[in-house]
Parts: sequence; structure tokens; C-alpha cells
Amino acid sequence: KAGVTQTPRYLIKTRGQQVTLSCSPISGHRSVSWYQQTPGQGLQFLFEYFSETQRNKGNFPGRFSGRQFSNSRSEMNVSTLELGDSALYLCASSLAPQGNEKLFFGSGTQLSVL
Amino acid sequence: TQLLEQSPQFLSIQEGENLTVYCNSSSVFSSLQWYRQEPGEGPVLLVTVVTGGEVKKLKRLTFQFGDARKDSSLHITAAQPGDTGLYLCAGSNQAGTALIFGKGTTLSVSS
Repeated sequence: KAGVTQTPRYLIKTRGQQVTLSCSPISGHRSVSWYQQTPGQGLQFLFEYFSETQRNKGNFPGRFSGRQFSNSRSEMNVSTLELGDSALYLCASSLAPQGNEKLFFGSGTQLSVL
Repeated sequence: TQLLEQSPQFLSIQEGENLTVYCNSSSVFSSLQWYRQEPGEGPVLLVTVVTGGEVKKLKRLTFQFGDARKDSSLHITAAQPGDTGLYLCAGSNQAGTALIFGKGTTLSVSS
């Protein structure tokens, strides 16, 4: 069974640009969550999608957005990039919405904003 | 806002030593999960504890959930270099909202 796939693996952008990250969950998983990981703040929750609907949203500005498609694949978009957006962006999938569910993480997309 | 505090932040030990990592909160969680993350990879779930006072063992790793479900600990016996990594605890509150992660404990085991 294939794991969670995130693309691209690495990205380098400049301030002001926008970026789209992709996540393909494990087959059969309908929930996809996104986290931002930085050395100083650890893993911070961005949002969760279940059956194409945003179920939960973290405390991030509106520049961060996401969506989920009918095949459960998800994308997140960051517009008007800032230096502080440099981080590892992790996607996790689960069978059902978060709670006591086991999360399966991808390897992440390392975003560097110059 | 619910917070999970992990300690210590960094731990560097020799192979064969024992260690304990702590995860504390002032809030009650319906469950706590422990993950290990290796460089360049995403976190991998080690265990989920649900019942207050619960103890789970995974080979040389022992996980405990506090009686009041506000804290948890991870004890590693006879650490090995393969145990090196970032250990993260994550809590789920009773409303079933998003998992809250601690900032993690970076463990380095040298041979």
C-alpha cells in the first residue's frame, strides 16, 4: 500500500510569489491534514479536509488556503510569500477525521523563501 | 489554547543508557499519541494511549498516560543509535478537533 505522497520535495521561492503544494493520501483515506513545521514552533496545524470540506482551521493568515478534490487528493496554496513562511510543510492522511485517528504523514515539502 | 510542553528539549546519551521524555499539559486530553520523526521524513506514530493510567510497551519503549490524562511519558531502556530522532507527543481533546503537537524532544544516541 503506497504511503502519503507529497510533491514537490523541495521548493525555493522569493518573497511575494505564491506556491502550491500537493498531497496524495493513502488509498481509502478521506481526511487530509496539513501542518507547518519549523525549528522554533514545532508542528503547527494549518487545516484539515474531509470529504472535500474544510473541517478545521488553525491560526494562520488568509494567505494560507487549501482544498480537497473528490479523489481525496489535497493542495495547499500560500500567496504573497514571506521569509517566515520558510518551513517543512507536512501532509497527513487518516481514514476518518482527526481525533483518536492514527495519522500517516508524508515526507513533507521543504519550502525556502528567499 | 491547549499546549503540550515536552522536556527535555534535547537529550544526548550513550548507547545502553536509559532515558525518559515528558509531555505535560494543564488541559485534559481524550488521548495522547507519540510519534518519532527522523531527518528528512515525516513523523511516524509509535503508540496511542487513551485511558488514564494506561501503560503500553513497545519493545524497549514504555509509554504511560497520566491518571488525570494531562501528561504522558516515554521511557526508553538501553537506548540504541537507531533510537535517534525527534520524539513528538500529540494530544486530542474531547471535541475531536485537530491534534496538538508538542515541540518535541531531539534524542541523539551515540555508540
